[in-house]
Amino acid sequence: SQQGEEDPQALSIQEGENATMNCSYKTSINNLQWYRQNSGRGLVHLILIRSNEREKHSGRLRVTLDTSKKSSSLLITASRAADTASYFCAGGDSSYKLIFGSGTRLLVRP
Amino acid sequence: EAGVAQSPRYKIIEKRQSVAFWCNPISGHATLYWYQQILGQGPKLLIQFQNNGVVDDSQLPKDRFSAERLKGVDSTLKIQPAKLEDSAVYLCASSLEGVSNQPQHFGDGTRLSIL
Repeated sequence: SQQGEEDPQALSIQEGENATMNCSYKTSINNLQWYRQNSGRGLVHLILIRSNEREKHSGRLRVTLDTSKKSSSLLITASRAADTASYFCAGGDSSYKLIFGSGTRLLVRP
Repeated sequence: EAGVAQSPRYKIIEKRQSVAFWCNPISGHATLYWYQQILGQGPKLLIQFQNNGVVDDSQLPKDRFSAERLKGVDSTLKIQPAKLEDSAVYLCASSLEGVSNQPQHFGDGTRLSIL
């Protein structure tokens, strides 16, 4: 079963705009991770936020986590054509398992 | 550092045939994962190894899928016999330790098509 559900399923923006993707999850987690997947490639880890953190930044990425609402968001600022990819959230529970959502497909138009 | 290596990149077989995928994780990574990713969905964990022992194979269809990691390094995933529903990308990933708060490093996968 999928842990996270991303919203929207697909997003198309102009280069230079910001892209926001949301993730809702079902069970308790101790961390939430975001991954990027380019077409035909494997997933690449972007950022990890722990359950006791509310916000985290990495370059042009900003992630928020609201454990009371079981939701997270990923903001990509000043998007570039190279950001075109699918983005997945994955919730990590207290053991070892990561459960991935169904992803948001982002298209950044030049 | 070298990434996770997978082969082959593509495989086309007919239903009821058998197929095998190979994965070599990042050197020093104790934990190896096999995921199935159906088109338009996120990866679903099939099996997780810690060194050469199985940690979780609860979602592995054991009547047709098998996996091994004999020397605690590289791994093979086999499907026998294949069904149409097995068409997917099979991703291998590795991490230093098998805890959820570590990033996983993925290979580029094997795209399997069943005719």
